Amino acid sequence: GQNIDQPTEMTATEGAIVQINCTYQTSGFNGLFWYQQHAGEAPTFLSYNVLDGLEEKGRFSSFLSRSKGYSYLLLKELQMKDSASYLCAVNAGNNRKLIWGLGTSLAVNP
Amino acid sequence: GAVVSQHPSRVICKSGTSVKIECRSLDFQATTMFWYRQFPKQSLMLMATSNEGSKATYEQGVEKDKFLINHASLTLSTLTVTSAHPEDSSFYICSARGAVHSSYNEQFFGPGTRLTVL
Repeated sequence: GQNIDQPTEMTATEGAIVQINCTYQTSGFNGLFWYQQHAGEAPTFLSYNVLDGLEEKGRFSSFLSRSKGYSYLLLKELQMKDSASYLCAVNAGNNRKLIWGLGTSLAVNP
Repeated sequence: GAVVSQHPSRVICKSGTSVKIECRSLDFQATTMFWYRQFPKQSLMLMATSNEGSKATYEQGVEKDKFLINHASLTLSTLTVTSAHPEDSSFYICSARGAVHSSYNEQFFGPGTRLTVL
């Protein structure tokens, strides 16, 4: 079966660093996405990893280890506006649909 | 990035009526569109995948006769919730993907439609 796991909730302090983990077990692998979703809004694309390693994009970085079925999203210099749900999604094959995790709700406190 | 619009953004209807939601890709051709439903504090649930000019592929448990999907052009897909009931109240989100704009083959999401069935 297809399965994606990520923590349900996390809390961090403004200015700090937080790492959100995602593990996956899928029948195939053709890339992993991270999306950010604020309450009541649609998801917005953050990052994409298809090869092992770290992809850095400003305050956000994403890491992938295909052999371990593991990814993390790293958020630096946290701001209050980073309070949102972070969704991990895997493209498991050639049918172009994504397998979605349940999302991690991040609360950034002052 | 590419822009996807949805209309209406919010709709309230009586039980038994049908509601049509439009999803448009504004600056690119969407070869594939996806329709999701999201209940409060839950993740996205894929309802169906549609490719332009062909029938939509529905996920297990989604009634295709209740949720009619039409992807008549490369920029427009519609979802019609037929004979809506209160349990259909949810946040419906479309996303689109096209070969040109998808550097990472990512999906671009519309702003969502909040449906409330009384």
